[in-house]
Amino acid sequence: GAVVSQHPSWVICKSGTSVKIECRSLDFQATTMFWYRQFPKQSLMLMATSNEGSKATYEQGVEKDKFLINHASLTLSTLTVTSAHPEDSSFYICSATTSYQQYFGPGTRLTVT
Amino acid sequence: KQEVTQIPAALSVPEGENLVLNCSFTDSAIYNLQWFRQDPGKGLTSLLLIQSSQREQTSGRLNASLDKSSGRSTLYIAASQPGDSATYLCAGTYGGSQGNLIFGKGTKLSVKP
Repeated sequence: GAVVSQHPSWVICKSGTSVKIECRSLDFQATTMFWYRQFPKQSLMLMATSNEGSKATYEQGVEKDKFLINHASLTLSTLTVTSAHPEDSSFYICSATTSYQQYFGPGTRLTVT
Repeated sequence: KQEVTQIPAALSVPEGENLVLNCSFTDSAIYNLQWFRQDPGKGLTSLLLIQSSQREQTSGRLNASLDKSSGRSTLYIAASQPGDSATYLCAGTYGGSQGNLIFGKGTKLSVKP
């Protein structure tokens, strides 16, 4: 079956630093990947849609200059949280689409101290 | 606005009981509906996917139904086990197979031995 990986699985960083999260489709090519964020006891909220070779589309309220998305190949999308602050601490999950459905990565737990 | 609501928010049952989790959605133009399982601090495990043209899907002890006209889906779990304890999320896909998912907040299920 389709497998999506994320790296790292968890990361702790200091306030003001930047963190990069990778999302890879391991056995299929994905022209579209999605990035979601989940706060404690909340559901997943879509942050942005990442399309290979073009700029990402951000949801309302998501700062594109703070959450940089790059989808350089059909199997890799990256999310960089720039100048992270404690309020950015969250669980970040990516998904990659086939023509049939979305497949989700295992998530990345980000803690900003 | 597309919204997905899940009731109840939490449910505790004794082992062996059959149970139903409810999901409702405001926009009937749904492409498909998925049920996921999420364990604490983990990513999503897809349980069942129902296409908009389908009425139900079954996998083992799980059965999911979809009624577009009423905007409802149910997840039926037969003979519940302690290992079924997790948060169950339903999500509707809009805008085709490449569209984003709208998630409910989930039902936290606890099955007592």
